[in-house]
Amino acid sequence: DGGITQSPKYLFRKEGQNVTLSCEQNLNHDAMYWYRQDPGQGLRLIYYSQIVNDFQKGDIAEGYSVSREKKESFPLTVTSAQKNPTAFYLCASSRGTVNTGELFFGEGSRLTVL
Amino acid sequence: EDQVTQSPEALRLQEGESSSLNCSYTVSGLRGLFWYRQDPGKGPEFLFTLYSAGEEKEKERLKATLTKKESFLHITAPKPEDSATYLCAVRHPQGGGADGLTFGKGTHLIIQP
Repeated sequence: DGGITQSPKYLFRKEGQNVTLSCEQNLNHDAMYWYRQDPGQGLRLIYYSQIVNDFQKGDIAEGYSVSREKKESFPLTVTSAQKNPTAFYLCASSRGTVNTGELFFGEGSRLTVL
Repeated sequence: EDQVTQSPEALRLQEGESSSLNCSYTVSGLRGLFWYRQDPGKGPEFLFTLYSAGEEKEKERLKATLTKKESFLHITAPKPEDSATYLCAVRHPQGGGADGLTFGKGTHLIIQP
């Protein structure tokens, strides 16, 4: 079955460490996204990518970095510059360009900073 | 001021007790309104897309409707498995990123047997 796989599901990090969250999709979708979800807030866009080797900052990109070397993969690195990284991170994809609201989400990665 | 507001924040119903969830928006130039369902600890699952006032979409016990300033998600005779958080998102020119999507905070729905 096609879908989006995120790993790890749970991750603990010490302050000052960088961590990378994996996102792989086999839906043959062009566009991929990273969102952050915090209690009591709506989903907020971190980065998105419309094609391989191209990506754009979302609303809260500071302290994060991404790469898109393959169509199937869109990893997110949470750097030590991110001041409040504890959150639930969601990767998503969509058909065609980003001009849609019909997103397919992975199951999420919960990052906790100790 | 939030551009997308969902109400109520939480709703507890008895099994079979029908009700509606609300998503109101203040953005202009709506290019689509989207409903998602999210189970605890999981990613959201797409449910419906609505584009114009008067449009309706149905799926099992759920029906989504759209007016010029709000959308309703009607739940008819709900079952415990309908318990989830329901998210609304609006696509508009002022939204975040190229996709222009703004998400509401969600309504946490609990259906008691």
